[in-house]
Parts: sequence; C-alpha cells; structure tokens
Amino acid sequence: QKEVEQNSGPLSVPEGAIASLNCTYSDRGSQSFFWYRQYSGKSPELIMFIYSNGDKEDGRFTAQLNKASQYVSLLIRDSQPSDSATYLCAVRLVFGTGTRLLVSP
Amino acid sequence: DAGITQSPRYKITETGRQVTLMCHQTWSHSYMFWYRQDLGHGLRLIYYSAAADITDKGEVPDGYVVSRSKTENFPLTLESATRSQTSVYFCASRGPTTSTTNEKLFFGSGTQLSVL
Repeated sequence: QKEVEQNSGPLSVPEGAIASLNCTYSDRGSQSFFWYRQYSGKSPELIMFIYSNGDKEDGRFTAQLNKASQYVSLLIRDSQPSDSATYLCAVRLVFGTGTRLLVSP
Repeated sequence: DAGITQSPRYKITETGRQVTLMCHQTWSHSYMFWYRQDLGHGLRLIYYSAAADITDKGEVPDGYVVSRSKTENFPLTLESATRSQTSVYFCASRGPTTSTTNEKLFFGSGTQLSVL
C-alpha cells in the first residue's frame, strides 16, 4: 500500500464549478500536509499547506484535513481553465501520484 | 539569479555511462532533495541532505550517488546508467525545520534524462 493515495483522474469539471481533490495517507503520526500544482512539463509548485484539523482557506483554494480519518482534500472554487493541471498531495516528503484536473470552458 | 537551478535541462546518455545532474540554490537552504518522477509512480525521493557533508537515502537510492561539499550545490550521479533510470529528475530545497511552515519544498525546473 502506497503511503499517500490519490485518484489519478482525470477529474473533469466545467468552468465555474467546484473541483474536489482527495488524498488519503497511511502514517497516523503525520503532522504536515501539502498540495502542489504541476502543469504539464513544469515543476511542482506549492499552493496550500495545512497542519491542523479543519479547513484552511486561501483565495479560491480550501484545504481540509481530518487526521482521524487520515484524509486531506483540496477544494477549488470557481474553477478556471487555467486550473487544469496535476495536483499532488504530499505528506511531508512523500508524494501521491497526483490527480489530473481538467476544467472545460 | 536567485532560486534553484538544475542543469542540464535535457540529457541523453547510453547504458553503462556515468552521468551527473547538477543542482544549485542561492537561498542558503539547509535541506536539499533529489526526486525522480515517473508515470504511475509520482515523485519518489532518491536522496536528501540536511546540510553540507550530511546526506541520507530516500525511497529509491540504488544506482545513485550524491555529495554535498557546499551548501548551495547538490549533484546527483548515476554511476552506471540503466534504462530504468530514464526519468524526469527534480531537485528541491527548503529551509531548516524550525517550524512547520519551513517544510514546503521549492523545486528546480527538472532534468529530463533518457538512457538508451
């Protein structure tokens, strides 16, 4: 079992919709959780990090963490075509395989 | 220029050859990392370094060698390249983990390596 699991997608949403990306992890002692965005042919860039249970909002992005369920998610509100990318969940230094998001105009 | 830079951007080599991928950062970050990214596997940690002259293995270290004589440089060497090492290699850095906010990684632009 991989330590960090993500659905590879693609997740297709229309422009303006909410995109919901999910991630589960196996190490119950994990303390820090990250979401990186990676455009095709580019390097990953950090968009959100969360350390405490609950929600953390930054602009159109909301990260949600539930340590009891070992679950972290990323919500993207008002999705734009420019949000089309692969979203990587990371638990400290361990990455999931990423979820490809496609936002159609 | 400030930031983290990798070279070369693209590299083609043959099996059995030695190849070195370079990574240089100007932030004086204490931690540096090498990842490889492959379809279906995502990013996997090869080696990391907490400071100059301190290195440690990650998830997939076999066939790779690293060194860190200076804080700003962290080269990755494939001593005898194999086809299975064809991949995109990313170098990353971060500051000391004095707080959880310092744990975010900054990535270089990557090196696409093909071993024929």
